[in-house]
Amino acid sequence: KQEVTQIPAALSVPEGENLVLNCSFTDSAIYNLQWFRQDPGKGLTSLLLIQSSQREQTSGRLNASLDKSSGRSTLYIAASQPGDSATYLCAVIDAGGTSYGKLTFGQGTILTVHP
Amino acid sequence: SQTIHQWPATLVQPVGSPLSLECTVEGTSNPNLYWYRQAAGRGLQLLFYSVGIGQISSEVPQNLSASRPQDRQFILSSKKLLLSDSGFYLCAWGIGVGANVLTFGAGSRLTVL
Repeated sequence: KQEVTQIPAALSVPEGENLVLNCSFTDSAIYNLQWFRQDPGKGLTSLLLIQSSQREQTSGRLNASLDKSSGRSTLYIAASQPGDSATYLCAVIDAGGTSYGKLTFGQGTILTVHP
Repeated sequence: SQTIHQWPATLVQPVGSPLSLECTVEGTSNPNLYWYRQAAGRGLQLLFYSVGIGQISSEVPQNLSASRPQDRQFILSSKKLLLSDSGFYLCAWGIGVGANVLTFGAGSRLTVL
C-alpha cells in the first residue's frame, strides 16, 4: 500500500527566503506526482504535476523535482512571500490498471511566511 | 473551460440526520469523479470514485454512500450521520487512468453535533 510522507510538518520563514519542502513515497511505481496548495478552509489548487518520466517541472517561483527510483520529490519555492503561506500537499497516482487516477496524499506541510 | 461545483459549502447537522452533498462538473464528458474527506488533524482520504454513470467504488468501509445518476453529477449521502462523519469533503474530477491533473472543488464543511 502506497504511503506518502511530507517533511517538515510545519515551516515558518521570513519573507524572501528560498525554501524546500520534501515528499517521499514508498512505492516507486507511480503515474505521476502532484503538488497542491490549500488555503485555510478552501479546496486544493494544483501547483505542479510531474509525470513519472520527468525529472522536474517549473512554474514561476516554484520548481518541483522527482526522483522516482528513490521515492522522493522536492518543492522549491524561491524568494518566498507572505502570500505563499498555506498548506502544501504532495500526492501520487499509482501506476497500474486499477489506479483510475486515485491520489494518495501526504499529511502536508504548513508554511508560514512572515513579513 | 471546465469547472466543478460543490454544495452546500457549509453544513451543520445533528447526529442521526441524513446527508446529501452534491458535486457537478461542467465542460467535460465522462470524467472520473472522486470524493475525498479531510478530517481534523488527518490527511486527505479517498472515500469513493466513479469511472462512469452508476459505477461506484468504495475505498474505505464507512457510514457514507455515493451515487452517480448522471455523467457529470456525483452525490455523497448518508442515512444517519455519526459524529465521526464531521470533516471537509472535497469532490474532484480527472480524465484517464492517471496521466492528468486532478481538479478539486471548493469543498463542503460538515459538522455533526
